Amino acid sequence: ETGVTQSPTHLIKTRGQQVTLRCSSQSGHNTVSWYQQALGQGPQFIFQYYREEENGRGNFPPRFSGLQFPNYSSELNVNALELDDSALYLCASSQGQGGVEQYFGPGTRLTVT
Amino acid sequence: AQSVTQLGSHVSVSEGALVLLRCNYSSSVPPYLFWYVQYPNQGLQLLLKYTSAATLVKGINGFEAEFKKSETSFHLTKPSAHMRDAAEYFCAVTLSNTGNQFYFGTGTSLTVIP
Repeated sequence: ETGVTQSPTHLIKTRGQQVTLRCSSQSGHNTVSWYQQALGQGPQFIFQYYREEENGRGNFPPRFSGLQFPNYSSELNVNALELDDSALYLCASSQGQGGVEQYFGPGTRLTVT
Repeated sequence: AQSVTQLGSHVSVSEGALVLLRCNYSSSVPPYLFWYVQYPNQGLQLLLKYTSAATLVKGINGFEAEFKKSETSFHLTKPSAHMRDAAEYFCAVTLSNTGNQFYFGTGTSLTVIP
């Protein structure tokens, strides 16, 4: 059984640029959730995708967008990067629309300068 | 609205001593509750979960937690701390009827003193 993987591991971008982060869900899981974890804070829910459709969104602006593909992998896109977007971005996968057991990937560390 | 409060952002215990990490929640519907551990530069690993079955939940690495509805608490305990337990611990809540959005506490950093 393959766990949740994320790429890249680290990323440095300049303010105003755009970034795409990728996540492969655990085998057998069809739901992916994205979280932003700022330094010293708990993860904050960005959004969730279930069977390629957005299934819930947290309090993040529209410049945070996502996709889920037929193989249930997912992308998180952030446009017009701001310094405050610097954080660890975590992806979690689960099974089913109401699946409560989420398995997290190692995260992507994004630094915006 | 749902939220989680973790009392004590830093906890230090001696090796072999009891570990107690506190978590209180607020939820408009019966909650599902979780404890996760995060080691430096890693993602979150599930320690244990409460999903409306037994109120005393046993997890991995000797940790357990008790759901107390009257106190809206879900404190994490371990009888004897080990050096490898040093990490960041997060309590999280989700709604039992959706299971999508998790609300995390701000975390408790556990230090184990040899």
